[in-house]
Amino acid sequence: DGGITQSPKYLFRKEGQNVTLSCEQNLNHDAMYWYRQDPGQGLRLIYYSQIVNDFQKGDIAEGYSVSREKKESFPLTVTSAQKNPTAFYLCAANSGTGRYGYTFGSGTRLTVV
Amino acid sequence: GDSVTQMEGPVTLSEEAFLTINCTYTATGYPSLFWYVQYPGEGLQLLLKATKADDKGSNKGFEATYRKETTSFHLEKGSVQVSDSAVYFCALRDAGGTSYGKLTFGQGTILTVHP
Repeated sequence: DGGITQSPKYLFRKEGQNVTLSCEQNLNHDAMYWYRQDPGQGLRLIYYSQIVNDFQKGDIAEGYSVSREKKESFPLTVTSAQKNPTAFYLCAANSGTGRYGYTFGSGTRLTVV
Repeated sequence: GDSVTQMEGPVTLSEEAFLTINCTYTATGYPSLFWYVQYPGEGLQLLLKATKADDKGSNKGFEATYRKETTSFHLEKGSVQVSDSAVYFCALRDAGGTSYGKLTFGQGTILTVHP
């Protein structure tokens, strides 16, 4: 089945460490997105990419970095500069056809210990 | 900028009750509007959508009508079930952007349905 795979499902980070969250899709969608979810705040856009080797900052990009070397993959690195990284992170992809088609992964829960 | 406001939660209902979750938005032009549902520990699933004024989106007994005059997209269901317990998100995509444009989400409304 086509879909988006996020790994790991749970991730623990020590203070001062960088961690990378994986997002892989087999939908052949051009656009991919990273959202952060905090209780009571909805989802906020971190980064998005419309094509390979190109990406744009979203509303809360500080402390995060991404790459898009392959169409299928859009990893997110949470750097030590992100002061409050504990959250639920969701990856999504969009085909761009017919103004529809956002598919979400099942998420990664990151906790700072 | 674009924004979406949902009614405060959580919402607690008995099975077979009528559900309304209010959603209003601020955007220029005619954005596309969406309702997503999130079950515990999972990602978001598209529930329904509407892309122009007066369109009605529907799925699994849920409905929402795109009201340009009131900038609203309220979610309704005539008879909820325990299995409808989840978090519901209203979202929009800017009409001025491409079809790859980012979604702007409301804060989410937690729905709990008791037997």
